[in-house]
Amino acid sequence: NAGVTQTPKFRILKIGQSMTLQCTQDMNHNYMYWYRQDPGMGLKLIYYSVGAGITDKGEVPNGYNVSRSTTEDFPLRLELAAPSQTSVYFCASIPGSSYNSPLHFGNGTRLTVT
Amino acid sequence: AQSVTQPDIHITVSEGASLELRCNYSYGATPYLFWYVQSPGQGLQLLLKYFSGDTLVQGIKGFEAEFKRSQSSFNLRKPSVHWSDAAEYFCAVGARAGNMLTFGGGTRLMVKP
Repeated sequence: NAGVTQTPKFRILKIGQSMTLQCTQDMNHNYMYWYRQDPGMGLKLIYYSVGAGITDKGEVPNGYNVSRSTTEDFPLRLELAAPSQTSVYFCASIPGSSYNSPLHFGNGTRLTVT
Repeated sequence: AQSVTQPDIHITVSEGASLELRCNYSYGATPYLFWYVQSPGQGLQLLLKYFSGDTLVQGIKGFEAEFKRSQSSFNLRKPSVHWSDAAEYFCAVGARAGNMLTFGGGTRLMVKP
């Protein structure tokens, strides 16, 4: 099983450029999440989705957008990249709202904005 | 608002020694508590979780954690550390396994031969 797949693994952007971080899962999970990880800060929730067509903001949504047109895919869009968005981004999923389900994480995308 | 504090940013232990990683949380209701481990270049993997019942929970790879409500703590322990345990460890608290999770800042564990 592939699980949660993120692409690309690494990316360098110039200030003001845009890009889309891809996330896809093959487990038919309803809930999907985007986190960013900064050194010493743990993971912060950017956006999440409870199913196709439904998205909502997390703790740090500014500067990002998401869409969820299918159950499998949950891309994260950066429209005008800023140095503050330099981070490691993780996508995660769970089957549903059951608290017994651990988060399944992708391997991350390391983004540098210069 | 819920919060998680991991007081130790870095810990170094010798292989075979015991380990305790500290986690303190702040949460208004009965917390759901988790420990995740992150190996270099990888995503996070669940080690163990506490929802209710026995306050000592067992996880994968020989780890255990103890929930102490009076101290608002959920410390992770392992009796004998292996070199492969070198990684970053995250404590998390939430109302459920999904969008309400709040993560601590992490503790990086290094293991000396």
